[in-house]
This record gives sequence, C-alpha cells and structure tokens, in this order.
Amino acid sequence: EVQLVESGGGLVQPGGSLRLSCAASGFTFSSYWMHWVRQAPGKGLVWVSRINSDGSSTSYADSVKGRFTISRDNAKNTLYLQMNSLRAEDTAVYYCARRGIAAAGIDYWGQGTLVTVSS
Amino acid sequence: SYELTQPPSVSVSPGQTARITCSGDALPKQYAYWYQQKPGQAPVLVIYKDSERPSGIPERFSGSSSGTTVTLTISGVQAEDEADYYCQSADSSGTYEVFGGGTKLTVL
Repeated sequence: EVQLVESGGGLVQPGGSLRLSCAASGFTFSSYWMHWVRQAPGKGLVWVSRINSDGSSTSYADSVKGRFTISRDNAKNTLYLQMNSLRAEDTAVYYCARRGIAAAGIDYWGQGTLVTVSS
Repeated sequence: SYELTQPPSVSVSPGQTARITCSGDALPKQYAYWYQQKPGQAPVLVIYKDSERPSGIPERFSGSSSGTTVTLTISGVQAEDEADYYCQSADSSGTYEVFGGGTKLTVL
C-alpha cells in the first residue's frame, strides 16, 4: 500500500525556518517525481514545488522561489521541503504528493502537515 | 504567471448532470487533471490526461477538452459527489504546475 506521511509542521515566527519531511513507503520511491502542494485554511490548492526522480531537476512556484528548497534522499525514501524566511502567507497545510508514471497526474497524497507562521 | 480559471460554484439536483469548466491558455498543449476534495480530506484524482479515469473512480465522472477549456462532467450526480473540485495542469513549457481556484459543487 502506498503511504506518504508528512512531518515537521508546527508554529514558527515570521522570518523563521522549518523543514518538512515526507516518508514514503509501498512503492519504489526513486522512480517517481514528487510534489509539495499547500492549502491555506479555507482556501484552494496551490502547487509549491516538484522534484524529479533522481533529484537533479527542481521547480518552484514564484511565491516560494529563493526561500524554499525541495530535496530527496532516495536511500531513505524521504522527500524534504526546507522553508526559510517564512511569512504569514505561508501558513497552510502542506501536502506531499506523488506524480504518477507517464503523465498520470498526482495519484497519491499524504494527509498533510500544518505550518503556522505567526508571532 | 500562468493561471487556470474555474467557476467558484456549481449547483445541481441529484440525478442531474454537473459540468465544471477550467480555462487556460496552455491547455491545448498540456494535459489537464481533476481532483475531488472533501472537507478535512486530501484530494483524490478523478480524471487524468484530460479524459482518463483512474481505477476505482465511478463511470459517472468524465473529462473532455476543447481548445483552451477542459470540462469535468459528473452524470447522475449523487449526494456523495458534493465536494470541491480542482483542475491542474502545467504552463506551456511544462516547468511549472498550477491548480485552478477550485469549484464547490453543491448537490441541492
């Protein structure tokens, strides 16, 4: 069974940093591109970042470019999101998500971890 | 930055057909995907590559594409279909992903 379990969320002050982790199991993690998607309270889904299967290519939404870094450790089956210079508008549930093979869309999602940026 | 446009809300009675549109300039070049999200839950993929249905998704869910607009159609809507629906695609270069703003489907 495919499982994606996020951790690392919490309360952080504006300007602070946080690292999210996503532990993957039930599939060959190193074969799949991965995404981070966020959702502010009561708002819609917003794509944040993606990384290819071996970590050599990344992409970011304009709103987080230069502040967030996506990475992965295929030996540990874990996806990361390093978030620096956090702002109040970064407050959201952050989902780890798997991109299916051959343009199959985001076929599995974690349950999300809440990040709250507030003083 | 690239945007996908969806209507904020759609309302239908049970048994009727709901159609949710999504517009974007790059849709003729990039596949579209549709996700269903119920309150407190993670999204679920209901349509991929414009019109393909994942296993386990009821046949009443279908997708279509025409020019810069893609449409999610739910035939014979049931109460359990009440949810938020999001389209997703990429910019013309395929570098950046984007979600539409979401459509709240209300079953009257």
